[in-house]
Amino acid sequence: GQSLEQPSEVTAVEGAIVQINCTYQTSGFYGLSWYQQHDGGAPTFLSYNALDGLEETGRFSSFLSRSDSYGYLLLQELQMKDSASYFCAVRGATNKLIFGTGTLLAVQP
Amino acid sequence: GAVVSQHPSRVICKSGTSVKIECRSLDFQATTMFWYRQFPKQSLMLMATSNEGSKATYEQGVEKDKFLINHASLTLSTLTVTSAHPEDSSFYICSARVSSHDEQFFGPGTRLTVL
Repeated sequence: GQSLEQPSEVTAVEGAIVQINCTYQTSGFYGLSWYQQHDGGAPTFLSYNALDGLEETGRFSSFLSRSDSYGYLLLQELQMKDSASYFCAVRGATNKLIFGTGTLLAVQP
Repeated sequence: GAVVSQHPSRVICKSGTSVKIECRSLDFQATTMFWYRQFPKQSLMLMATSNEGSKATYEQGVEKDKFLINHASLTLSTLTVTSAHPEDSSFYICSARVSSHDEQFFGPGTRLTVL
């Protein structure tokens, strides 16, 4: 089967840095994506890693280690608007995007 | 950027009725569309994959006779929840992509409440 595990909740303060981990077990692997979802909204694409290493996009960075089946999303200079759910997602052998369990990030003043 | 729309955004219906949800790719042709379901505080669960002009492929545990999917054109897919019951109340999200190696773009979702 396929599984993507994330911490269920993370809490941090404004201005801080937070890392959200994702470990996956899938049949085949084409890449790891990260999505942000605010309550009641649709998921919005944040980043994508197909190869090992760090990808940086503004305040958000994403890392992948294929040998460890592990990745993380790093959010810097946290803002209140970053409070949301964050999902990792893997496109595996079936070429379908499968989502992780999700992490609820609460940013406090 | 690529835009995917869904209609309606919210629907409330009585138990036993059928509800149709439309998903449209507005500025690109989507060879493949996906339907996800999300219960409160849970992840997005893939229900089915549909390719234009062919039958949808359903994930294990999803009843194909209850969730009818039609992908009649490259810009439109519909999901019909037949004989809806309160346990079908959920957030239904569609997604579309141009080809197998392209990014999936998500619609805004449809919140279904069955009374």
